Amino acid sequence: SAVISQKPSRDICQRGTSLTIQCQVDSQVTMMFWYRQQPGQSLTLIATANQGSEATYESGFVIDKFPISRPNLTFSTLTVSNMSPEDSSIYLCSVIWGERYGYTFGSGTRLTVV
Amino acid sequence: AQSVAQPEDQVNVAEGNPLTVKCTYSVSGNPYLFWYVQYPNRGLQFLLKYITGDNLVKGSYGFEAEFNKSQTSFHLKKPSALVSDSALYFCAVRPYTGFQKLVFGTGTRLLVSP
Repeated sequence: SAVISQKPSRDICQRGTSLTIQCQVDSQVTMMFWYRQQPGQSLTLIATANQGSEATYESGFVIDKFPISRPNLTFSTLTVSNMSPEDSSIYLCSVIWGERYGYTFGSGTRLTVV
Repeated sequence: AQSVAQPEDQVNVAEGNPLTVKCTYSVSGNPYLFWYVQYPNRGLQFLLKYITGDNLVKGSYGFEAEFNKSQTSFHLKKPSALVSDSALYFCAVRPYTGFQKLVFGTGTRLLVSP
């Protein structure tokens, strides 16, 4: 399966600032997904990032707040912009790997906004 | 639209006893179904998936799940629970064809007592 390195693993940020989260995959993948897991909640898809095209955002998420880059088939970043305490969550990236449609997740970034 | 229901917020079981974590789904067409586990301060770990074939799927750490199309269920089971199985379990679904987005249930916390 694909292995994802996600950084940072955690951060504490001041409100109004931005944080960029990186995901590096050890193999080339077409689709990468970014999820948010608010405290005590399930995972919610933020956007899907395909290399060479703009990310597709889910309802309730906008590019200005969560800009995504996907410069190549092994790397993506998610920025959480102009943060507020409501953005405190775990953010995870995910990829589809292999022919049997397995999904691999990064270890997550635990963000606390103060 | 696809959806997943995990009707139990928490399941309590004694070590050595069998465990079941329930999941029902709704999706257009045939489903791909997944179970993931999340330990504290960790990312999601893949347990097992159903794509096609045998309705009984065996996965990691002795877990298995049974796909029941008529009941639209995919319950997670283990014959003998371990204290170390205590974690948060998520069921997820995506349609067999079309957009490859995973939709997650709300999660079930499993507590295994010694």
